[in-house]
Amino acid sequence: SYVLTQPPSMSVAPGKTARITCGGNNIGSKSVHWYQQRPGQAPVLVIYYDTDRPSGIPERFSGSNSGNTATLTISRIEAGDEADYYCQVWDASSTHLVFGGGTKLSVL
Amino acid sequence: QVQLVESGGGVVQPGRSLRLSCAASGFSFINYAMHWVRQAPGKGLEWVAVVSFDGGTKYYVDSVKGRFTISRDNSKKTMYLQMNSLRAEDTAVYYCARDLHGGWPVGMDVWGQGTTVTVSS
Repeated sequence: SYVLTQPPSMSVAPGKTARITCGGNNIGSKSVHWYQQRPGQAPVLVIYYDTDRPSGIPERFSGSNSGNTATLTISRIEAGDEADYYCQVWDASSTHLVFGGGTKLSVL
Repeated sequence: QVQLVESGGGVVQPGRSLRLSCAASGFSFINYAMHWVRQAPGKGLEWVAVVSFDGGTKYYVDSVKGRFTISRDNSKKTMYLQMNSLRAEDTAVYYCARDLHGGWPVGMDVWGQGTTVTVSS
């Protein structure tokens, strides 16, 4: 089945830029969605269809997808961005929805 | 406002059954596919199942096939997850979530707050 690989954790200083990667075989041919999950809360969609932002999500959040890597970029990091981030695709060949393992973003 | 509310979680012995419900409000329920996603304690998100807008198409993660059944009642704006032959590894918070579309699954744009299922003797 299709596998998505994310770094387990990363740390970024306030005001800097975080780039969270999501690796998968030819992931550029799929639509990637990203979720933010703060501790004790339900996930929230932050990027859909690789690059689109739902209403209410700050412009600091952006996405890209090409080749074997999709990337969630969070600019001008704030303390409130500290959370777990998950990438996700629908794998049509297995008819399975797949999540990456998640990346825990810490704000220094 | 758009809202999903799960119910039906609890503590259950291994091998027993439980039925979860997800009540939708604030949007046209019949227009969207719906998912169940779970999260074991301290672990990541795991997709469980999806049902199409009309209930005609259903897909499951391999670990629950033959044990769990997803369904929906559009007249009641409610989705269900019937869980049979429960195992300790099914212990998790179960979230219901709305798909971005009605037919072919894509991703989820609205999530409930979750209901906790604990399988333990």
